[in-house]
Amino acid sequence: QKEVEQNSGPLSVPEGAIASLNCTYSDRGSQSFFWYRQYSGKSPELIMFIYSNGDKEDGRFTAQLNKASQYVSLLIRDSQPSDSATYLCAVNNQAGTALIFGKGTTLSVSS
Amino acid sequence: SQTIHQWPATLVQPVGSPLSLECTVEGTSNPNLYWYRQAAGRGLQLLFYSVGIGQISSEVPQNLSASRPQDRQFILSSKKLLLSDSGFYLCAWNLGGTGGLNTEAFFGQGTRLTVV
Repeated sequence: QKEVEQNSGPLSVPEGAIASLNCTYSDRGSQSFFWYRQYSGKSPELIMFIYSNGDKEDGRFTAQLNKASQYVSLLIRDSQPSDSATYLCAVNNQAGTALIFGKGTTLSVSS
Repeated sequence: SQTIHQWPATLVQPVGSPLSLECTVEGTSNPNLYWYRQAAGRGLQLLFYSVGIGQISSEVPQNLSASRPQDRQFILSSKKLLLSDSGFYLCAWNLGGTGGLNTEAFFGQGTRLTVV
């Protein structure tokens, strides 16, 4: 069974700080990596995806991928209370046919 | 633009009753379709995925089944529900990929199922 691991948290940061969310995966054949945000009682919504090693920035969000270490992270700059949610890391299976999700990290941003 | 519809939004069913959840996608052709379940306090568990009509792959053995009678329709069923089937059921779609790559998945609004 392929694994995607995340620290469940909660991760608490003050408003305006940088939140750092981490994820490790076990399948070396994975090539697509995704971060989703899920508010309580709602369905997940895509924040960003990353395919290549290095950093990818989109507004306040930066995804970082290190395939050698099988590690992907999400940085949220200038955190806002509205960023308080559960963040899910997803990795494709080696066949590229399905996304496997971690259990998510709960982020709490205090004002 | 593409949209995904999933219904009902909430459902309360007695143990031993049947289940049918339906999901349809609009605005695209030949999508990959997925059923996930999220139990309270747990992550998203992949139940089934389909890369085409009549093609269903099961990730977890259980008393649930899935069918894809049309290109953009995906149905999750059970003949007899168990208490452990309670959870948040999510349908999702993407365009799939090649060579190990995969595109982002988009989710329906979900069905919150409570088995009593």
